[in-house]
Amino acid sequence: GAGVSQSPSNKVTEKGKDVELRCDPISGHTALYWYRQRLGQGLEFLIYFQGNSAPDKSGLPSDRFSAERTGGSVSTLTIQRTQQEDSAVYLCASSLGPRVSYEQYFGPGTRLTVT
Amino acid sequence: GESVGLHLPTLSVQEGDNSIINCAYSNSASDYFIWYKQESGKGPQFIIDIRSNMDKRQGQRVTVLLNKTVKHLSLQIAATQPGDSAVYFCAENFNDYKLSFGAGTTVTVRA
Repeated sequence: GAGVSQSPSNKVTEKGKDVELRCDPISGHTALYWYRQRLGQGLEFLIYFQGNSAPDKSGLPSDRFSAERTGGSVSTLTIQRTQQEDSAVYLCASSLGPRVSYEQYFGPGTRLTVT
Repeated sequence: GESVGLHLPTLSVQEGDNSIINCAYSNSASDYFIWYKQESGKGPQFIIDIRSNMDKRQGQRVTVLLNKTVKHLSLQIAATQPGDSAVYFCAENFNDYKLSFGAGTTVTVRA
């Protein structure tokens, strides 16, 4: 069956440009997470969506980062005025329910390089 | 802030031997732990989990041990295979949905 997909797989952008990263979760999964993974490091929580509830944006590192989830399905992470420190792999995960006991299924990630 | 960490960043193991990957956590309120495997170019994949009311849990070729006294978690892989080469992360949970990840241990299996 289809897993979590993300696009693009790779993105190279110039400093100061805006980028949009897309996540297509598994159909029927109500919870969606975005994480950032810097080279050689673990995953940093960015944002969490659950159903129609207000998202938990507490992990977004600055106001240049925003995310939305339309129709309870596809999600877009937007980074405005990109900086070199934004270079990382951005991972999306979805799960059937709102708690961590529901397994999170991860996409392959988008590798963002800011030059 | 509180975070999960690992004792060793890399582990080299002979094919067929057992592997032990360690993890230290600092949040005594954490009540749920997960081990993930991440292969190159892929997202993390769930391996096994354990709740704080347990000290051991076994899966297929894997065992997770939890020592709450010293806040230590380990993953044991039996009869390590080349396909086990990956980065392994432990993650802890202390609220409904947030996970805190360690930096990961890179496991390399020697033929």
